[in-house]
Amino acid sequence: GEDVEQSLFLSVREGDSSVINCTYTDSSSTYLYWYKQEPGAGLQLLTYIFSNMDMKQDQRLTVLLNKKDKHLSLRIADTQTGDSAIYFCAASGGGNKLTFGTGTQLKVEL
Amino acid sequence: EPEVTQTPSHQVTQMGQEVILRCVPISNHLYFYWYRQILGQKVEFLVSFYNNEISEKSEIFDDQFSVERPDGSNFTLKIRSTKLEDSAMYFCASSTDRGDSPLHFGNGTRLTVT
Repeated sequence: GEDVEQSLFLSVREGDSSVINCTYTDSSSTYLYWYKQEPGAGLQLLTYIFSNMDMKQDQRLTVLLNKKDKHLSLRIADTQTGDSAIYFCAASGGGNKLTFGTGTQLKVEL
Repeated sequence: EPEVTQTPSHQVTQMGQEVILRCVPISNHLYFYWYRQILGQKVEFLVSFYNNEISEKSEIFDDQFSVERPDGSNFTLKIRSTKLEDSAMYFCASSTDRGDSPLHFGNGTRLTVT
């Protein structure tokens, strides 16, 4: 079945860009998602990309998809302390049965 | 912005007891899901539900689990006889369309089985 992998931790300084990376195994994945989870809260949908796209930008967020390498990244420009959270990558092969990564804990330091 | 709501936020139960976790999906959504996250592990798919029946379920979703849409707004997950290993955060989600619309998740119910 599908497997999604992410690095566990990322630490950046406030104002810098953050790049969170994700790899997946199923080349038939049609949608790829980024969710944000703050302490004690649910999974907030940040953005998603369809597999026939290679980039999507939404304000401070840029998603890059390399379908050949099955690699997805989330770039957060001008990272703020409020961006500190766990970021989950998820892949969908259709039917919205998502496979999640382990989550990347982003820590933003002053 | 409309959101998925889940109650309770935290449920403590004794092993062997039945629990019902409740969810109110976004009102115009047609597809409903339950996922769970055991502490320190990945978020896992449990079940999807459409048109009053299960569309797909994972191996985790055994006979101890059931889902129901008892009325036009609620979507419930029942665990018939809880085990210690059922302790997890349970997330409800909904979407407008099965294939090409994103899932919107609730804040989750933390279930603790003692």
